[in-house]
Amino acid sequence: QVQLQESGPGLVKPSETLSLTCAVSGGSISSDYWWSWVRQFPGEGLEWIGEFFHTGTPNYNPSLKSRVTVSVDRAKNQFSLNLTSVTAADTAVYYCARGRYKDFFHYMDVWGKGTTVTVSS
Amino acid sequence: DIQMTQSPSSLSASVGDRVTITCRASQNINNYVNWYQQKPGKAPKLLIFAASTLQSGVPSRFSGSGFGTDFTLTINSLPPEDFATYYCQQSYMTPYTFGQGTKVEIK
Repeated sequence: QVQLQESGPGLVKPSETLSLTCAVSGGSISSDYWWSWVRQFPGEGLEWIGEFFHTGTPNYNPSLKSRVTVSVDRAKNQFSLNLTSVTAADTAVYYCARGRYKDFFHYMDVWGKGTTVTVSS
Repeated sequence: DIQMTQSPSSLSASVGDRVTITCRASQNINNYVNWYQQKPGKAPKLLIFAASTLQSGVPSRFSGSGFGTDFTLTINSLPPEDFATYYCQQSYMTPYTFGQGTKVEIK
C-alpha cells in the first residue's frame, strides 16, 4: 500500500525559499499516477499547488506559477516542492498527494500526513 | 478559476441523522466533483469521485449526486466517527479548486 511522507523545515523566514520533500513508499514514483502538492491555510481553506506526471511537464496553479517548482528524484523515489519568496501568507500545512485518472476523472486518493510550515522572522 | 461554494458552512446533527451537504460550482463542470472528509489534525480522505462513485473501502452510507453546477453529499444514519469537515473539489480543469468546507458537529 502506497504511503507518502512529507519532510522539511517547519519555519522559514520571509523572502526565503520553502523546500519540502515527499517520500513515496510501497510503490514507484514512475508508475502511472500524478503527484501533487496541496496546502491548507490556518483558516482551513485548501489550495491545490500543482502536480506532475513522471514523464511530463508539471501543471502549476497560475496563482503560484512564478514562484513554484516541483521536481522528482527517481533514485530516491521522492518528489519535492520549492516555493520562492515566501511571505506570511504562505504559512500552511503542506500535503503531498497521489492523483489518478479513472475514465478521465481525476482525484487524489492517497495523502501524506502533512507538514506545518510557518513563515516568520 | 472555478469557484466551489458549499452550504451550509457548518451544521449540528445527532447520531443517526441523515445529513446533506451541497456544493455549487461557478460554471458547468459536468460531474467532475470529488468529496473529501477531514478530521482534526488529519489529511483529507477521499470519499467520492466523479460526483457519485464511492471510493473503495468507503461505507455505503455515503452517497453523492449532481451534474452541471449543483452537487450533494449525503450521509445516511450518521455515526459518531463521521463528525468531521467535508470538502467538495472540482477536477474539471486546473487549477483544481475546493469548497470552503462544511463542518458537521454533534448537536
